[in-house]
Amino acid sequence: QKEVEQNSGPLSVPEGAIASLNCTYSDRVSQSFFWYRQYSGKSPELIMSIYSNGDKEDGRFTAQLNKASQYVSLLIRDSQPSDSATYLCALGEGSQGNLIFGKGTKLSVKP
Amino acid sequence: KAGVTQTPRYLIKTRGQQVTLSCSPISGHRSVSWYQQTPGQGLQFLFEYFSETQRNKGNFPGRFSGRQFSNSRSEMNVSTLELGDSALYLCASSGLAGEDTQYFGPGTRLTVL
Repeated sequence: QKEVEQNSGPLSVPEGAIASLNCTYSDRVSQSFFWYRQYSGKSPELIMSIYSNGDKEDGRFTAQLNKASQYVSLLIRDSQPSDSATYLCALGEGSQGNLIFGKGTKLSVKP
Repeated sequence: KAGVTQTPRYLIKTRGQQVTLSCSPISGHRSVSWYQQTPGQGLQFLFEYFSETQRNKGNFPGRFSGRQFSNSRSEMNVSTLELGDSALYLCASSGLAGEDTQYFGPGTRLTVL
C-alpha cells in the first residue's frame, strides 16, 4: 500500500525565514507529486505540482523532487504569517483520480 | 473561471439517516474525485468519476456511493449514517483525461449525532 509520510509539526519559523517542509513516499513508480496548503476550516488549495527530478520554483515556493530517494520537499522563502497553515503532500496514481495524501505538516510563522 | 462548488456546506444528521452531497466541477472538467477528511485519518480517497463512469474506488464500505451526471456534476450518498461518518467531505475536479492535478471545492461539513 502506498504511503506518504510527513512530520506533523508544528514547524515554527520566524517571519522572513525559509520554511522547509519534507515528505517521503513508499511507491517507487509514482510520477506526480503535489503540495497543497490548507488553512484551518478551509479546503486544500493547490500550491504546485512536480513531476521531474530537481527543483521547480513558483514565486516564494520551491518544490524539490528526488525520486531515487523517494523524497519531495517544499521550501517557502521569506515566510509570512499568512503562510501559517497545514501543508499537505500528495502523490498521484496516474489518471485514476486518486491522490494519496500525507497527514500534513502544520506551519506556524511568527511575526 | 468559477471553481468547484459543493452543496450543502454544512449538514447535521442523526444516526441511521442517509445523506446526499453535491459537487459541480470547474467548467470543462470531466473528472470528479471525492475525499473524506477527519482529524485522525486525514484525507482519504472515496471514489472518482469520469464521463459518468466510476473508474476508481477507495477502501470504504458500500454505504458510500456516488454517481456522475452527463454535465459532470457529481453526487455522493451515504446511507445508514454512523457517528464515525462525521467529517469534511471534499470533492475535487481535474481537467483532462490523464491529467491528475486536482482542484478542491470548499467541502461539506457533515455532523452525525
